[in-house]
Amino acid sequence: GAVVSQHPSRVICKSGTSVKIECRSLDFQATTMFWYRQFPKQSLMLMATSNEGSKATYEQGVEKDKFLINHASLTLSTLTVTSAHPEDSSFYICSARGPGELFFGEGSRLTVL
Amino acid sequence: GENVEQHPSTLSVQEGDSAVIKCTYSDSASNYFPWYKQELGKRPQLIIDIRSNVGEKKDQRIAVTLNKTAKHFSLHITETQPEDSAVYFCAASGEKVNNNDMRFGAGTRLTVKP
Repeated sequence: GAVVSQHPSRVICKSGTSVKIECRSLDFQATTMFWYRQFPKQSLMLMATSNEGSKATYEQGVEKDKFLINHASLTLSTLTVTSAHPEDSSFYICSARGPGELFFGEGSRLTVL
Repeated sequence: GENVEQHPSTLSVQEGDSAVIKCTYSDSASNYFPWYKQELGKRPQLIIDIRSNVGEKKDQRIAVTLNKTAKHFSLHITETQPEDSAVYFCAASGEKVNNNDMRFGAGTRLTVKP
């Protein structure tokens, strides 16, 4: 079946640094990908919709200058958490609409010290 | 926009018993209703879905029912096993490929006791 790969799976960084997370569709093209944030024991909260070749669409309350999204090709979207702070620590998951369903990446656990 | 509510938030059953999780949605235009299973620290995986032209769908021990008039849909797991323990999310959306309207329920933590 279709696969979405996300990297890195875990990252620890110092406060003030930036972290980039990649989301790739491995065997299908995805003009649109989605980025979510998931707090412990909570649901998936859509942060933004990543559109290939154009600007991302952010959900209300999500800082676009804080969470930079780039969708430069039909198989790759990146999320950069800029000037990370401890409150940005979370589980970030991407997804893409593949053949017939929505496929999720493995998730990236970000810990900001 | 779409709003999805899911109940219960936690559910504990004995192995072999059935488990039922219920969701309601607000947008009558929604016509795709997937259910995802998420194990701790892993990605959500689609376990079953239903589209608005179908009232019920079954796949082995898992079934989903949809009442479009009442705007609610349910997940039924029969003969539960310990490996069914996970968090289950319902979702609702339209069908367009690039639509960003999929919204998830809050999740149900299912525990199956051996």
